[in-house]
Amino acid sequence: EDQVTQSPEALRLQEGESSSLNCSYTVSGLRGLFWYRQDPGKGPEFLFTLYSAGEEKEKERLKATLTKKESFLHITAPKPEDSATYLCAVYNTDKLIFGTGTRLQVFP
Amino acid sequence: EPEVTQTPSHQVTQMGQEVILRCVPISNHLYFYWYRQILGQKVEFLVSFYNNEISEKSEIFDDQFSVERPDGSNFTLKIRSTKLEDSAMYFCASTLQGRGEQYFGPGTRLTVT
Repeated sequence: EDQVTQSPEALRLQEGESSSLNCSYTVSGLRGLFWYRQDPGKGPEFLFTLYSAGEEKEKERLKATLTKKESFLHITAPKPEDSATYLCAVYNTDKLIFGTGTRLQVFP
Repeated sequence: EPEVTQTPSHQVTQMGQEVILRCVPISNHLYFYWYRQILGQKVEFLVSFYNNEISEKSEIFDDQFSVERPDGSNFTLKIRSTKLEDSAMYFCASTLQGRGEQYFGPGTRLTVT
């Protein structure tokens, strides 16, 4: 059965303190890994799609990387407005399977 | 920028009542989805819809649930007889390609009392 595990569950960072979020996955043939941002009470907001090991995508302070077993979301010099829950999901047949997310808090 | 919209934003209903949640997907998208998120839990897949029929559904999506695309723009989720455990945030999503990024709406918070 396909599974997605994210760590840590929660992360507190000082503004400017870079870090990485982890997403480990078990799938029978990866057909896409997705990163989303979710603010409280809102819908997931699409960030990145990765399809093959070695692929990297960047957007502002965020960079997503992919290996055969896991993906990392690197956040460089975060700001308070980066505070949110970051969700990882894998594509399976005709649906996304989500992890439980990492709740990121960035303090000024 | 095109976006997925959902109505209502919050629906309160009594146990046993029928509810219809509405979504307007992005106009040129072809694949449509419903997910739900119980408070504090992960986002869970309910159903996918393509070419006017269900393509996949989860165990959660039992006979009490149904989906419909009544016209060229709306996509609805109906729960025939709501239960307390149906209380959750319901998200609609759409995508142009099956493997492509899915764009989510803001959600409908369903509260069953």
